[in-house]
Amino acid sequence: DAGITQSPRHKVTETGTPVTLRCHQTENHRYMYWYRQDPGHGLRLIHYSYGVKDTDKGEVSDGYSVSRSKTEDFLLTLESATSSQTSVYFCAIGKDSNYGYTFGSGTRLTVV
Amino acid sequence: QKEVEQDPGPLSVPEGAIVSLNCTYSNSAFQYFMWYRQYSRKGPELLMYTYSSGNKEDGRFTAQVDKSSKYISLFIRDSQPSDSATYLCAMSAVDKIIFGKGTRLHILP
Repeated sequence: DAGITQSPRHKVTETGTPVTLRCHQTENHRYMYWYRQDPGHGLRLIHYSYGVKDTDKGEVSDGYSVSRSKTEDFLLTLESATSSQTSVYFCAIGKDSNYGYTFGSGTRLTVV
Repeated sequence: QKEVEQDPGPLSVPEGAIVSLNCTYSNSAFQYFMWYRQYSRKGPELLMYTYSSGNKEDGRFTAQVDKSSKYISLFIRDSQPSDSATYLCAMSAVDKIIFGKGTRLHILP
């Protein structure tokens, strides 16, 4: 997707290990978001950022932390991965908080 | 009551038919309304964006918002097999967007 990349695209990790997912944008957008998408639940907001070092929790933030030290990078960390965190994770960026977002291609994470 | 309700489908229609996708919502503060399309194993992409009530047309797609009924719709005319995807409605009020769970649409050749 133009202007936004997620890495890695796929990851398999063991229960109890820390995992960091990266979102990188080249659009200089102020807002960045991390969602997880699961069957039957749709997209659920984990954390979001409204500026460098400015972050806030979403509806499913337990077990996750984020950091944004530069405008272009937003990191999502699973402190100690659990099987319930197996999911597809999407990063999204936005010029403002109400206009439509641009999504990345997603990271498929499996915790075994 | 969930903030945004969307029938998950699947919805199967023959090629060339008019498709109607709908969402209802409960929060009267929502002002911005969107439709996203998501192909399998891809991220959602913004399809339509409308502000407040009314209609917006873009090619074969028409988005309709009825704030009095708290109901939004997406119409697809002359549907094509390439329209087969999951369609998510979304709406926002303050500082983040709330998504519906998506409707899976299959266009049968």
